[in-house]
Amino acid sequence: GDSVTQMEGPVTLSEEAFLTINCTYTATGYPSLFWYVQYPGEGLQLLLKATKADDKGSNKGFEATYRKETTSFHLEKGSVQVSDSAVYFCALSSNTGNQFYFGTGTSLTVIP
Amino acid sequence: DTAVSQTPKYLVTQMGNDKSIKCEQNLGHDTMYWYKQDSKKFLKIMFSYNNKELIINETVPNRFSPKSPDKAHLNLHINSLELGDSAVYFCASSQAGRIEAFFGQGTRLTVV
Repeated sequence: GDSVTQMEGPVTLSEEAFLTINCTYTATGYPSLFWYVQYPGEGLQLLLKATKADDKGSNKGFEATYRKETTSFHLEKGSVQVSDSAVYFCALSSNTGNQFYFGTGTSLTVIP
Repeated sequence: DTAVSQTPKYLVTQMGNDKSIKCEQNLGHDTMYWYKQDSKKFLKIMFSYNNKELIINETVPNRFSPKSPDKAHLNLHINSLELGDSAVYFCASSQAGRIEAFFGQGTRLTVV
């Protein structure tokens, strides 16, 4: 069945460091891919998305590219800020769009 | 205007009690979900409803019963609460054929 595997945390970085959170997926067909972010005490918010191979999703300085050949959707940011401290979830939705599969989440702490 | 709203935000109750969590979405979506997030932030889907019909029912104790009176509502009723039910429960919605899911703010359930 469809699934998402993402890099385990927690991840601790200094402010302005480069961030990569790895995500790979297993799916039949052509899923859509997402990164969601959960700030402390809040629900999940969509951070970025990509719907087809080679699409790049971007938002708030974060980027991820849908790589079908490596079945990956790694999240990157060139310079993290303290305010980026949160839990990040990689996710995919099936072709029908009514099933979502989440990774285990990666906790990021950015220290000044 | 909150897109997906859940009530209550916090719920503290004793073992053995029966409780309900309500969820409403005003996005016109046709699919709604319940997820359970444990203390390690792992998100597990519990139920998915499409147009008021159950389409996903993961391995969840039958003490948990979802009820969808209409497309805009998916409530979660829990009987005979146990300590292990303590978690954050998230409601979400999406539209089949489109891609992203929208999440509520979560209900933190504590069973004492």
